[in-house]
Amino acid sequence: NAGVTQTPKFRILKIGQSMTLQCTQDMNHNYMYWYRQDPGMGLKLIYYSVGAGITDKGEVPNGYNVSRSTTEDFPLRLELAAPSQTSVYFCASSTGTGWSEQFFGPGTRLTVL
Amino acid sequence: LAKTTQPISMDSYEGQEVNITCSHNNIATNDYITWYQQFPSQGPRFIIQGYKTKVTNEVASLFIPADRKSSTLSLPRVSLSDTAVYYCLVGDSRAGNMLTFGGGTRLMVKP
Repeated sequence: NAGVTQTPKFRILKIGQSMTLQCTQDMNHNYMYWYRQDPGMGLKLIYYSVGAGITDKGEVPNGYNVSRSTTEDFPLRLELAAPSQTSVYFCASSTGTGWSEQFFGPGTRLTVL
Repeated sequence: LAKTTQPISMDSYEGQEVNITCSHNNIATNDYITWYQQFPSQGPRFIIQGYKTKVTNEVASLFIPADRKSSTLSLPRVSLSDTAVYYCLVGDSRAGNMLTFGGGTRLMVKP
């Protein structure tokens, strides 16, 4: 199993541009999450999903959108990129509730200039 | 959300036992305590999870007192490769499935 994969690994955006960060898991997990991690800081939850067709906001959802059309995929959409969105983005998945082990992807490093 | 407090950083030497304590005063009855490890440029990785008393696996032990308001991650005989950031998380059933990663504890293991 590949686990959780994320693309791209690196990306530079100009202010106002849009992009989609891809996340795919092959473990048949119902729960998926998007986090962002600013330099030297902990992870902050952006959005999460408890199953296909169901998404909910986390701690810092502004400026982002998600969709969950399949169990495997959980893309994160950035609209009108801003410098404040410069960060490392991690996708994760788990089998169940918040105290289940979360499996993380390798991350996407995004810079907005 | 149940909030956690842990030391910002710790230093240790190879071969020593390291204990990292986490405070979680508002832990709920159904919450579990989970610890993750993160190396630079990687996503966090699960280490250990517990509800009460003591849990041990091949890499660490987790000690939780009866009141569950704190927990201690114990890493026996650390090596240079244990240099990482360690996060203590409390699963907050009251807030659905949201987990809060605090700032973590930066452990530096020296030769």
